[in-house]
Amino acid sequence: DGGITQSPKYLFRKEGQNVTLSCEQNLNHDAMYWYRQDPGQGLRLIYYSQIVNDFQKGDIAEGYSVSREKKESFPLTVTSAQKNPTAFYLCASTIGTGGFGQPQHFGDGTRLSIL
Amino acid sequence: KQEVTQIPAALSVPEGENLVLNCSFTDSAIYNLQWFRQDPGKGLTSLLLIQSSQREQTSGRLNASLDKSSGRSTLYIAASQPGDSATYLCANGIRDDKIIFGKGTRLHILP
Repeated sequence: DGGITQSPKYLFRKEGQNVTLSCEQNLNHDAMYWYRQDPGQGLRLIYYSQIVNDFQKGDIAEGYSVSREKKESFPLTVTSAQKNPTAFYLCASTIGTGGFGQPQHFGDGTRLSIL
Repeated sequence: KQEVTQIPAALSVPEGENLVLNCSFTDSAIYNLQWFRQDPGKGLTSLLLIQSSQREQTSGRLNASLDKSSGRSTLYIAASQPGDSATYLCANGIRDDKIIFGKGTRLHILP
């Protein structure tokens, strides 16, 4: 079945450590997105990519980095510069590159906590 | 700045009742409005997407309406079931390729 796979499901970070969250899709979607969700809050956009080797900052990009070397993969690195990384991270994708006009498909998320 | 509000934050209703979830937004210049369902600890599942030129969309027991002039959308759930218990989020697609999410309504269907 086609879908979006996020791994790991749970991740723990030590102070000063960078960690990378994986997002893979086999839907042949062009655009991919990373969101952060805090308890009782809506989703906030971190980064998005509409095409391979290109990506744009979202509303809360500071302390995060991404790469888009392959169409199916969009990993997110949470760097030590992100001082409050504890959150639920969601990856999404859409078909086409027409902006946000198409339905978004989501992975099951990665919950990141600080040790 | 676009703001999306969902009230109430939580709602409990007996099984079998029809119910309406509300979503309001401040800027009527939207491209579309989407309703999602989120189960605890899971990602979002798209339920319905209404383009700005449309007034409503239906899928099974779900009906979503859009009134851009008043900045409101509703999600109507008919004959509610315990399996409908989840958090429901609405989101606006706006200019500059942005999507703005509400904080969601946590729905509990009482058996």
